Amino acid sequence: QKEVEQNSGPLSVPEGAIASLNCTYSDRGSQSFFWYRQYSGKSPELIMFIYSNGDKEDGRFTAQLNKASQYVSLLIRDSQPSDSATYLCAVNIGTTNFGNEKLTFGTGTRLTIIP
Amino acid sequence: KAGVTQTPRYLIKTRGQQVTLSCSPISGHRSVSWYQQTPGQGLQFLFEYFSETQRNKGNFPGRFSGRQFSNSRSEMNVSTLELGDSALYLCASSSQGPVLNTQYFGPGTRLTVL
Repeated sequence: QKEVEQNSGPLSVPEGAIASLNCTYSDRGSQSFFWYRQYSGKSPELIMFIYSNGDKEDGRFTAQLNKASQYVSLLIRDSQPSDSATYLCAVNIGTTNFGNEKLTFGTGTRLTIIP
Repeated sequence: KAGVTQTPRYLIKTRGQQVTLSCSPISGHRSVSWYQQTPGQGLQFLFEYFSETQRNKGNFPGRFSGRQFSNSRSEMNVSTLELGDSALYLCASSSQGPVLNTQYFGPGTRLTVL
């Protein structure tokens, strides 16, 4: 089992709809979770992070975390063509000791917003 | 503020050679992480340096090594190159680490091994 798993897609969503991206992780002790966006030919950029169970909203983006199910998701409301990109889930696997600054990434989900 | 810079941007090497890649972090950032990105494996963590010390390491063979200088600039070295080392190598910098703070990626070095 991979440490961080994502559906590779492609996921196609009509413009204006809600895009839902999912990620599961294997280490029950993981505490920190991140979503990165990577446009084709560009480097990843951080868009959201979440540490606590529940929802965290930032503009059109909502991150959802369920530690019991080892599941983190990203919702994009009112999807725009500019949201078309690959979305990478990253998890801080391992102990929560200070200095554990390693991120394990999923392989990413390619999202296409259809005008 | 200038972003993360990486040199060179493109590199072509042959099997058995070695290569050194360079990364200059954002001014004031003390943590530099290195990643390998390939279509099949995605983004894989190589190592993280903080204040000249390797603090975290991924699951790569010893042919992959790195270091960080007192000005936080970092280099990674790959010895005895293999075809499978062809990839985009990304470095990212952050103030204290990619978990504690936002990390910013450089544009990457595209390495092709022939």
